Amino acid sequence: QVTLKESGPVLVKPTETLTLTCTVSGFSLSNARMGVSWIRQPPGKALEWLAHIFSNDEKSYSTSLKSRLTISKDTSKSQVVLTMTNMDPVDTATYYCARIGSGFDYWGQGTLVTVSS
Amino acid sequence: QTVVTQEPSLTVSPGGTVTLTCASSTGAVTSGYYPNWFQQKPGQAPRALIYSTSNKHSWTPARFSGSLLGGKAALTLSGVQPEDEAEYYCLLYYGGAQGWVFGGGTKLTVL
Repeated sequence: QVTLKESGPVLVKPTETLTLTCTVSGFSLSNARMGVSWIRQPPGKALEWLAHIFSNDEKSYSTSLKSRLTISKDTSKSQVVLTMTNMDPVDTATYYCARIGSGFDYWGQGTLVTVSS
Repeated sequence: QTVVTQEPSLTVSPGGTVTLTCASSTGAVTSGYYPNWFQQKPGQAPRALIYSTSNKHSWTPARFSGSLLGGKAALTLSGVQPEDEAEYYCLLYYGGAQGWVFGGGTKLTVL
């Protein structure tokens, strides 16, 4: 079955760079027209789309965060990595990865990242 | 900055019908925005309900349907159940340069 699992630090300091990994199973990152997206949700707030990457390596970023984000994939490891630079306390959120197949069909459980000194 | 607007909250009686909408600040929502709808309950990850305007996932209950209505994307729940009480989010696609934008969510209360 399709699963996605986010991993990364629970706590980062302001100005640090966050690196999150999404490890997928049940499908291949090389499958045609399939992608993985990152989404975040600050506590008690709405979902916010961050970035996506497709099997053909097409990438797209949130316009408001584009300068801070980089998304990449390692097909052999079935992993998608998101880096976000210059972290701030307002970036405290649960970060989710989701498969883009039939829409955003499968989601990971999310990982809470707190930004604090 | 593109804004996607949803009703902040709606209340519906059990067995009733309710329509949630999703509007774009850029104008009318069309199928080209590939509207997606998600349900999220407290403490859980979002669950996909609808993609590409009106397509259901295998797990989507039959009482949920998606459409375009008056220039907006719409999610209609017919025969609402108590377990449908949740936050609902829409998601629209604005192309490669801008990507996707979520709506602010609708808190649906079943009362």
